[in-house]
Amino acid sequence: DTAVSQTPKYLVTQMGNDKSIKCEQNLGHDTMYWYKQDSKKFLKIMFSYNNKELIINETVPNRFSPKSPDKAHLNLHINSLELGDSAVYFCASSQTQGSEKLFFGSGTQLSVL
Amino acid sequence: RKEVEQDPGPFNVPEGATVAFNCTYSNSASQSFFWYRQDCRKEPKLLMSVYSSGNEDGRFTAQLNRASQYISLLIRDSKLSDSATYLCVVNQGTGGFKTIFGAGTRLFVKA
Repeated sequence: DTAVSQTPKYLVTQMGNDKSIKCEQNLGHDTMYWYKQDSKKFLKIMFSYNNKELIINETVPNRFSPKSPDKAHLNLHINSLELGDSAVYFCASSQTQGSEKLFFGSGTQLSVL
Repeated sequence: RKEVEQDPGPFNVPEGATVAFNCTYSNSASQSFFWYRQDCRKEPKLLMSVYSSGNEDGRFTAQLNRASQYISLLIRDSKLSDSATYLCVVNQGTGGFKTIFGAGTRLFVKA
């Protein structure tokens, strides 16, 4: 059983489209995250949710909207995709906020053409 | 200044070599520190936590100097399988815990 699973693994789409990435964790963790890793491999936090509540919202365009229907799921919806959105998006979870260990999903490679 | 800065790399070393990675962080209120490892096209995975007293896990030794805001990772007797990107990671506890990743240092271990 995969601990943190995200889908799809690859997403290729045109500029202007709207797309979603889904994430689920079966570890019983309270906190979930979305990270973006750009072409320079720099991994940057986008959002953090604790028990379905938004905790951290970094400077991310409004086109990015996370949704957490329950503490095991954190989805990411992106409106009006732009070329600069191309990156690998990683979902992660941790037992609590500030827990030592982050468990990452295998990533979603988003390519905007 | 970046919140977490690492050696630019890449490091190219022969098998059996000892290699050291350095990392500095800007926020003196940072609370916990880690090294993660990321293989090519894979997700990051926790390698080890870093404690003020220094800690060792097999061939890996991590050190923290809070006064200098400096973290290090030493790998002894490098193996081919150590080839990866090593990410220095810092937890900041202000305004909700925030985990900050360094840009990573790439290591190539050659036969």
